[in-house]
Amino acid sequence: DSGVTQTPKHLITATGQRVTLRCSPRSGDLSVYWYQQSLDQGLQFLIQYYNGEERAKGNILERFSAQQFPDLHSELNLSSLELGDSALYFCASSAEMTSDLYNEQFFGPGTRLTVL
Amino acid sequence: LAKTTQPISMDSYEGQEVNITCSHNNIATNDYITWYQQFPSQGPRFIIQGYKTKVTNEVASLFIPADRKSSTLSLPRVSLSDTAVYYCLVGYAGNNRKLIWGLGTSLAVNP
Repeated sequence: DSGVTQTPKHLITATGQRVTLRCSPRSGDLSVYWYQQSLDQGLQFLIQYYNGEERAKGNILERFSAQQFPDLHSELNLSSLELGDSALYFCASSAEMTSDLYNEQFFGPGTRLTVL
Repeated sequence: LAKTTQPISMDSYEGQEVNITCSHNNIATNDYITWYQQFPSQGPRFIIQGYKTKVTNEVASLFIPADRKSSTLSLPRVSLSDTAVYYCLVGYAGNNRKLIWGLGTSLAVNP
């Protein structure tokens, strides 16, 4: 158990809908990362938040957005869903960054999104 | 544009040493190299991280040549439980920060 929790575990929805995925980082971790992993694909880095502020952006679509709240939990919002958005979405957290080094990321169990 | 390239798959046998190489030709001076392991339906798990030369921990070694254009993850005496996907990551957390993940190498360890 990494200490990172994600809800829900599974989500089934229809095209055109909007969903929200939730992540609670490990206690004390200030950074939260979101990733998308499609079937038989590698990890696609979407976005990173650090202490409530966006810190790094990857291949995140404009239909997707995220935020990190004062209690450090994070939500990933996916809108106008398409079939191709079906994937496993991981959240990861890491400790406070004190250097330019990316600290070890601890991954949650993921949310499996199925768009029908 | 920075990119990491890894072999798609590798096969090995129990007790052998496995070396997985990642190519990152455009690595920048400040980039660090990290490797993660992922089992099916689980999130990746950190294995090892380095900047140059050699790093060793209780589970693996990481070799980085002087030009840093590649890195090699070495798993000594693999077992069946090492069957997993291994990801190479190049990242820098300072200005112009980035996280570039490879597509992963699927390692199959056979009896």
